[in-house]
Amino acid sequence: DMKVTQMPRYLIKRMGENVLLECGQDMSHETMYWYRQDPGLGLQLIYISYDVDSNSEGDIPKGYRVSRKKREHFSLILDSAKTNQTSVYFCASSPRGNSGNTLYFGEGSRLIVV
Amino acid sequence: KTQVEQSPQSLVVRQGENCVLQCNYSVTPDNHLRWFKQDTGKGLVSLTVLVDQKDKTSNGRYSATLDKDAKHSTLHITATLLDDTATYICVVGDRGSALGRLHFGAGTQLIVIP
Repeated sequence: DMKVTQMPRYLIKRMGENVLLECGQDMSHETMYWYRQDPGLGLQLIYISYDVDSNSEGDIPKGYRVSRKKREHFSLILDSAKTNQTSVYFCASSPRGNSGNTLYFGEGSRLIVV
Repeated sequence: KTQVEQSPQSLVVRQGENCVLQCNYSVTPDNHLRWFKQDTGKGLVSLTVLVDQKDKTSNGRYSATLDKDAKHSTLHITATLLDDTATYICVVGDRGSALGRLHFGAGTQLIVIP
């Protein structure tokens, strides 16, 4: 069953608290992504991971870090959350990058920072 | 600067009508273009991918075209159903590998009314 699972789906945190968003996939995909989606904007890439411990910054990495210790699991960490990090975060995976292969998305994690 | 522009921003049609969504982009190089459907509160689901210089695809009631010379794509939905209510997102990939970037449009919100 090809699936990308995100936990938690909804989260409210106070400014300055740490946030851990988790993502798992059951397809043994090498490449995984973290995006954020804000109203009126296209998805913005935060980090990309090409495989275990092979991570690269995306377009908006500031304030975020990631961890990938197993191929099927990719975490997004916010150390000291800020109100402007309120957003919907999407994890995605792809078998060999994005060429001709479809991209599988999770259902999103809605984070509110107050 | 936004490199993928979608129009219209929103669209209301009656069930059974046809509709056309537009995507114009400035991404270079433009390796491929995907259309995704995003139901409210859900993740993105791939509808089709276009690769060739002048390409056409068909997936049930969804059909799409791509003209790389014009940097333009269309998504046609025939005989709309209430379940077609969603946001449709155009994504352009600048390479055919994991080293490439995906450029997301902000989406067209389609509402199908009875």
